[in-house]
Formats: sequence, C-alpha cells, structure tokens
Amino acid sequence: SQTIHQWPATLVQPVGSPLSLECTVEGTSNPNLYWYRQAAGRGLQLLFYSVGIGQISSEVPQNLSASRPQDRQFILSSKKLLLSDSGFYLCAWVNSGANVLTFGAGSRLTVL
Amino acid sequence: GDSVTQMEGPVTLSEEAFLTINCTYTATGYPSLFWYVQYPGEGLQLLLKATKADDKGSNKGFEATYRKETTSFHLEKGSVQVSDSAVYFCALFSGGYNKLIFGAGTRLAVHP
Repeated sequence: SQTIHQWPATLVQPVGSPLSLECTVEGTSNPNLYWYRQAAGRGLQLLFYSVGIGQISSEVPQNLSASRPQDRQFILSSKKLLLSDSGFYLCAWVNSGANVLTFGAGSRLTVL
Repeated sequence: GDSVTQMEGPVTLSEEAFLTINCTYTATGYPSLFWYVQYPGEGLQLLLKATKADDKGSNKGFEATYRKETTSFHLEKGSVQVSDSAVYFCALFSGGYNKLIFGAGTRLAVHP
C-alpha cells in the first residue's frame, strides 16, 4: 500500500538557524509531490511542487527552498529561519494524471 | 488565476443541527472539486470529491454538488455530531498546473 511519511513531527528552532523537513512516499513511483504551509489561523498555501526528480516549481518568493533528490523524497529547507516561517507544513503526493492528493501528518515548526 | 472562496468561520452549531459551508470557485476549464477535513492536530483527509458538473460527492453523511452554473460546491450535512468539529477546506485541482488550490478553511465547532 501507499504511505507518506513526514518528519520531524514537531520542531522548535531559533531565528537564523537552518531547517530541513523531509517527506518520503512509499508504494508508488514518479508521484507529483507538494509542500504546503498552514500559518496559525490561516488557510493552506502551496509553497512548492515537483513533477519529477530535480524538478521544482516555486509558488511564492520566500525564505524557503525545496529539493527532490530521489523519486520519492521531497525536502523543504531554509538556510536562516525567520519568525514568519513558523507554521504547520504539510507534504502531499498524487500519482501523475490523478487528482486526489494524499497528505502526510504534518510538521509543526515554531521559530523563536 | 484559479481560486477558491469559502465562507468565513467559525461556524458554531448544536449537535443534530443542519450544516452548510459555502464554497465558490474561479477557474478556467472544468476543474475537479474537493472537500478536505482537518481534525485538531492532524493532517488533511479527503472528505469527498466531484469531477464534473452535477456530480454529487458524499461521505460520512456530508454531501456537495458540483454546480457549474453558479461555480459552487457547498458542503452540507443534515445532522452534525460533536465528532464533526474540525476545519473544512474546499479545493479545486488545477489540472493544467498539477496543483490543488485551497480555500481559507472554515472551522466548525459542534456542541452537545
């Protein structure tokens, strides 16, 4: 069966520190992968999506970057975190050609 | 570009009350439409979907009908339960761009 894993589940980081959130999908190949952010009390903002290894589309200019080093691995990074980077980060996947996204459990980031 | 507009919350209801959460969309073409639900502290789960005009999606007593003429996909449930308390997100899948676009979310609180 297909599963999606995100880690860490919770992270507290100081301003200016680096960030790495990982997402892996099992049981499928060549999925489309997505990173969304949910700021406190707000909706879901699409940050990045990828249709293949090394292919990253950025939706909004920001302090974050994404990489897809392997087919089923999607990484969200920052070199220096800002207070405004705090939020709930969700990874999602969908098979190419399909339209129902499956979401991971999320990673809650607090920047102090 | 494509967008989704949801009624603002929070929506507070008593158990067994009727629920409607309004959702309208703007899109080129004929997108697939979705309702996702987020229970406290968790990721998103697909609640229901509809892929073409006049389709009705249903699940767990919730229903929504794809109305092309009014570009709407309102969520309804005849009798809500305390366990339905969550945040509900309306979304459309922009197939040409391979991405899911969400509304801002509506928080539902059901009291006994």
